[in-house]
Amino acid sequence: QSVLTQPPSASGTPGQRVTISCSGSSSNIGSTTVTWYQQLPGTAPKLLIYSNNQRPSGVPDRFSGSKSATSASLAISGLQSEDEADYYCTSWDDSLKGVVFGGGTKLTVL
Amino acid sequence: EVQLLESGGGLVQPGGSLRLSCAASGFSFSTYAMSWVRQAPGKGLEWVSSINNGGSSTYYADSVKGRFTISRDNSKNTLYLQMSGLRAEDTAVYHCAKRISGYWAFDDWGQGTLVTVSS
Repeated sequence: QSVLTQPPSASGTPGQRVTISCSGSSSNIGSTTVTWYQQLPGTAPKLLIYSNNQRPSGVPDRFSGSKSATSASLAISGLQSEDEADYYCTSWDDSLKGVVFGGGTKLTVL
Repeated sequence: EVQLLESGGGLVQPGGSLRLSCAASGFSFSTYAMSWVRQAPGKGLEWVSSINNGGSSTYYADSVKGRFTISRDNSKNTLYLQMSGLRAEDTAVYHCAKRISGYWAFDDWGQGTLVTVSS
């Protein structure tokens, strides 16, 4: 049981816009920033979004993040086949005094 | 180019010990906090431990507290994870990761080293 809750799966067709949600509590998302990672099959995770909505250099602007209260979302517009991957949200938890991850969302491009 | 290369994984019996290393290059290692994140086979990511740039502050997941110790040698640009009292549930690929200054976000990751705990 992950501290942050994500849907186990999501899907979309090429060109479509999809969103992945991440629900937490006042001790994590509600009090600090959210980070998103993309993990392609068989590879190490890649930083996608940090500080709720900041993209590291090299990450396409098709990826965007937002946060409201104790929830966050990752949006992917203009969906491409290479976006098929697992996506994880994460944040610091003030109660646990550690980093917490969502269980991950497997995105399928139909 | 940032490179993080983990080593030290392998097969160990329950209750045994293992020390993982992460050799860093391509950046000023002593400037950045570092972390270990693991992924059990077919499962999601789980944060394990973090250490600040100087090594004076450490953080652990409850699942490993008291059994694992994170440390670093800035003169050798190397991060360590000493693991003892290993359990079957510690079986995972262990990644080291570099933390972005000021954020609990990891912008560079190693490919990981597999630890298998089994009799």
